[in-house]
Parts: sequence; structure tokens; C-alpha cells
Amino acid sequence: ETGVTQTPRHLVMGMTNKKSLKCEQHLGHNAMYWYKQSAKKPLELMFVYSLEERVENNSVPSRFSPECPNSSHLFLHLHTLQPEDSALYLCASSQDIQTLEAFFGQGTRLTVV
Amino acid sequence: KQEVTQIPAALSVPEGENLVLNCSFTDSAIYNLQWFRQDPGKGLTSLLLIQSSQREQTSGRLNASLDKSSGRSTLYIAASQPGDSATYLCAVERGSTLGRLYFGRGTQLTVWP
Repeated sequence: ETGVTQTPRHLVMGMTNKKSLKCEQHLGHNAMYWYKQSAKKPLELMFVYSLEERVENNSVPSRFSPECPNSSHLFLHLHTLQPEDSALYLCASSQDIQTLEAFFGQGTRLTVV
Repeated sequence: KQEVTQIPAALSVPEGENLVLNCSFTDSAIYNLQWFRQDPGKGLTSLLLIQSSQREQTSGRLNASLDKSSGRSTLYIAASQPGDSATYLCAVERGSTLGRLYFGRGTQLTVWP
């Protein structure tokens, strides 16, 4: 248990659905991240939030919409996804973006059908 | 752009062997380097973090070294055990893009009894 919790652990959704992934940390960290892990590709950074403000959007399509309502919670809202978006989505947190010892959640395995 | 390469891609060894996993990166201006472990379908567990000013870090049977000038890091696992079976990922953070980890594709390790 790393202190970063993601829900749901598994999600199957159709291309017309809207769903949200949730990440929660109670480590007192100020930075949170979304990563995507596709088969046979390195982990890719999607979004970085520092003190609830988005500081990086790594050229992610608009069908992925992050939200950080407070420093403990991070959401990834999904709509009109494509089958190639199927992947393991990992949330991470760190004390701040200057102190990057990152702690990862268990991930959400997303399948788009 | 930072490229991170891990060799070998897969490794299968009998229990008790000492192992060396390799990581190389193209941009030597890194802020820190982190080794993670990932079990199948799970999130990442941080193993060791080496700051750019450090040369190595040790935790139990694990030792990680960093040579910034040559763009290399090695993870040494002593007296391997079946429980060490997992994918080991190397990630670097550049000083110019704090908050962003660049990952290798990982080394998939299998230790058999």
C-alpha cells in the first residue's frame, strides 16, 4: 500500500460512454500526476497538477479531461474514447514537483469496446 | 527529448543469483533517477531514488548506482529470490522539466526456484 488509492481497479466502457477515474492520496503531497501505460510502450505522462493547478498537459486529446478539486483528489474524466485508449492508467503523487520521489497507485485497467 | 533504455528486456534466472539490470539515458542533465518495481497488472512501487548529486543508494539486497557523465544507472539485486519476479522500471527526471518522469520500457525479471 503506497498511500495512493485509485478507483475503479477495472473499467470496461463503450465508445459513447462517459466515465471518470478517481485518485486519492492522504500523504500530504502537493503534486499529482496521471500516467498512461499501454502495452509494449513506456509509461507516458499525461497531466501534472501542482497545488491544484495544472502545470503540464502532455499533448493529451481532449477526450481526456482532468480535474483536481483539492490537493488530495485527482480525477480523469473520459468521454468518446477509442479502443486504442485501452490501457492501465496510473495516478501518482509527490511532495511537490521539485521533490520527485513519486508514489503510484495500483492503477485502473481500462478497456474501451 | 530524454530517451531511457533498459537492457535486458527480459531476464530469467535461478534463485540465488546476483543480478545487474541496466538503464541508460540520453540527456545527462538529470535531476534524479528512480527505480520502480511493477507486479503484473499492478501499480509501481518505488525502490530507490538517487539524487543527481549522489552516486548510489542501497536498500536491503538492492543497490542502485548512477553515473551521470556516461548516462547510466545499474540496479544490483543480490541473492535473488522468486519474490523478486516483477518488471523493473527506471525513470529519470530532468532538471529542465521538473515534475516529469521519463520511463524506460522495463526489464521483466523471472526468478525460478
